Amino acid sequence: NAGVTQTPKFQVLKTGQSMTLQCAQDMNHEYMSWYRQDPGMGLRLIHYSVGAGITDQGEVPNGYNVSRSTTEDFPLRLLSAAPSQTSVYFCASSYGPEGGGEKLFFGSGTQLSVL
Amino acid sequence: ELKVEQNPLFLSMQEGKNYTIYCNYSTTSDRLYWYRQDPGKSLESLFVLLSNGAVKQEGRLMASLDTKARLSTLHITAAVHDLSATYFCAVDQFYFGTGTSLTVIP
Repeated sequence: NAGVTQTPKFQVLKTGQSMTLQCAQDMNHEYMSWYRQDPGMGLRLIHYSVGAGITDQGEVPNGYNVSRSTTEDFPLRLLSAAPSQTSVYFCASSYGPEGGGEKLFFGSGTQLSVL
Repeated sequence: ELKVEQNPLFLSMQEGKNYTIYCNYSTTSDRLYWYRQDPGKSLESLFVLLSNGAVKQEGRLMASLDTKARLSTLHITAAVHDLSATYFCAVDQFYFGTGTSLTVIP
């Protein structure tokens, strides 16, 4: 099993550009989520999904879109990049409530810089 | 709004010493998670605590949960250099504390 696969690992964008961060998991997890990590801020939830076709906003959703057309994939779209979106982004997945614990499995992260 | 606070934010301790990291949260929950992050790396799960009074131990780390006090602790016993990392607690799966950066000094 590959676990949670995130691409790309590094990305530099210019202000106003759009891009998609890819996230895929092969563990048949129901739940998937996106976070950004900024110094001194911990991890903040951007969007999450509790199953294919179901998404919801987290703490800091503005400027980001998500969709969940399959159980495996949960891409994060930056619509019009801004310097404030410079951050490290993590995707995570987990079993649902019946899975017993719901601990998160994380991808390796994407370092994004917006100039 | 759910708030999760950790303290201390930074911890420098000598090898062989004991210390405790605290995680306070602002709403009723009985699901508390601890993660470890090494510099430049992703996060890995350490403990899952799912009920009041739950205690889990792995090596030199022990985590506990008091849902009535809305408090979880991560206790480090006889610290070693390999424990140097940032430790996060998370409530209700998705909501993380700011992290505690631990440095163990030889």
